[in-house]
Amino acid sequence: DGGITQSPKYLFRKEGQNVTLSCEQNLNHDAMYWYRQDPGQGLRLIYYSQIVNDFQKGDIAEGYSVSREKKESFPLTVTSAQKNPTAFYLCASSILPNQPQHFGDGTRLSIL
Amino acid sequence: AQKVTQAQTEISVVEKEDVTLDCVYETRDTTYYLFWYKQPPSGELVFLIRRNSFDEQNEISGRYSWNFQKSTSSFNFTITASQVVDSAVYFCALSEAGGGSNYKLTFGKGTLLTVNP
Repeated sequence: DGGITQSPKYLFRKEGQNVTLSCEQNLNHDAMYWYRQDPGQGLRLIYYSQIVNDFQKGDIAEGYSVSREKKESFPLTVTSAQKNPTAFYLCASSILPNQPQHFGDGTRLSIL
Repeated sequence: AQKVTQAQTEISVVEKEDVTLDCVYETRDTTYYLFWYKQPPSGELVFLIRRNSFDEQNEISGRYSWNFQKSTSSFNFTITASQVVDSAVYFCALSEAGGGSNYKLTFGKGTLLTVNP
C-alpha cells in the first residue's frame, strides 16, 4: 500500500544531543513537509521541500535541519539548538502544491 | 498574512446529534484553497475535503457536509447524526495559490469533538 512511514514512533533525546526523525514515502510525491504539533495547538510548518535537493524554511525552522537527497526520503534532525523539542512531529507529502497532503503516523519526541 | 481561526476548542455531543464545526479564515489572495482534516487519537491526519476559492457550492459526502461562504470568510463543517467514531480533533487549513506560499498550509488550532454514546 502507498503511504508515508515515520520512524521511530517514540523518541527520547538527552540534553545536547541531536536526533533524527525518519520520513519515507512511496506515493511518488514531489513535495514533502515537516510539521510540529504542540498540545492544543495546530500544526506549524518546520521545513518543506518541493523537489529533490531543494528545501525551504517554514515558520519555525530554528533548531532544525533537513535534507532531501532522494525523492522518497525527507529526514528531520532536531539539533541541540532546539531548546524545547518536546512535541509531536508529523511528516506529510503532496503531489503538487495546494493539493491534499498525506500524513504519516507521527513521531513523539521527549526529553530525558 | 494568512490565518485560520477555529473558535470552538472543544465540543461534546451525544450520539445521533448533529454538530457544526466553525472555521473562519483570513487571506489577501483571491485564489486560495481550504481544507478539513481529521486527527483521530492515533495521531495521523486524515484528509476530508479541499475547496478552491472559486467554488462556493456546498458539498455533501455521506453524513458530512461543508458550507463555504466567501462573504463571511467561513468554511464550516457539519456532521449529521454523529457517531462515536467521529470523535477526533478536526483541523481547518488554508493555502494560498501564489508564489512560494502555495506550499504552505496554515492550520487552525483544531476543535476536539467528543461524541458520547
